[in-house]
Amino acid sequence: RKEVEQDPGPFNVPEGATVAFNCTYSNSASQSFFWYRQDCRKEPKLLMSVYSSGNEDGRFTAQLNRASQYISLLIRDSKLSDSATYLCVVNIYPSGTYKYIFGTGTRLKVLA
Amino acid sequence: ETGVTQSPTHLIKTRGQQVTLRCSSQSGHNTVSWYQQALGQGPQFIFQYYREEENGRGNFPPRFSGLQFPNYSSELNVNALELDDSALYLCASSRTGGREGPEAFFGQGTRLTVV
Repeated sequence: RKEVEQDPGPFNVPEGATVAFNCTYSNSASQSFFWYRQDCRKEPKLLMSVYSSGNEDGRFTAQLNRASQYISLLIRDSKLSDSATYLCVVNIYPSGTYKYIFGTGTRLKVLA
Repeated sequence: ETGVTQSPTHLIKTRGQQVTLRCSSQSGHNTVSWYQQALGQGPQFIFQYYREEENGRGNFPPRFSGLQFPNYSSELNVNALELDDSALYLCASSRTGGREGPEAFFGQGTRLTVV
């Protein structure tokens, strides 16, 4: 089983739609959580951190459920510019160091 | 822009050769991590450097090695290149090496092609 699992998609949605991505992680010692956005052939860029209380940044809402080891990202009122791959990232802390474990990403295509 | 820069941006090497990739971390950051991203996959953790020492390693063979310099810039060296080493190599810098797990910021990557 992969440490971080995401539905690879692609998700094809019309402009203005609401879309939700889910991610599960297997290591219960995971400490912090992030969503990154990656455009084609570009580097990942931090979209938002994910907190247990849930957090919102404009049209984006992230949720964390530690009991179920589940992270979500909700995008409201999708724009064409939201088309990208969304990477779920979990930070774990094995043996005195921390490392980021990435999911394979979920591709989103917003259609005009 | 993140302030993390990598060089070169593209590179073509022959199987069996050696390659060195470079990364300048963001100002104020003292930790550098390297990732390999194959086409259609998420980035895979190679190793991390903190205060000029390797501070964690993923499932990569010893022919993947690195360095960090006093100014926190870093190099990734790969010996005896194999075709499967073809990938985007990403460098990420972050502010601490402690357990807080701060947000990481990526450079634009080096696309390595092994022929």
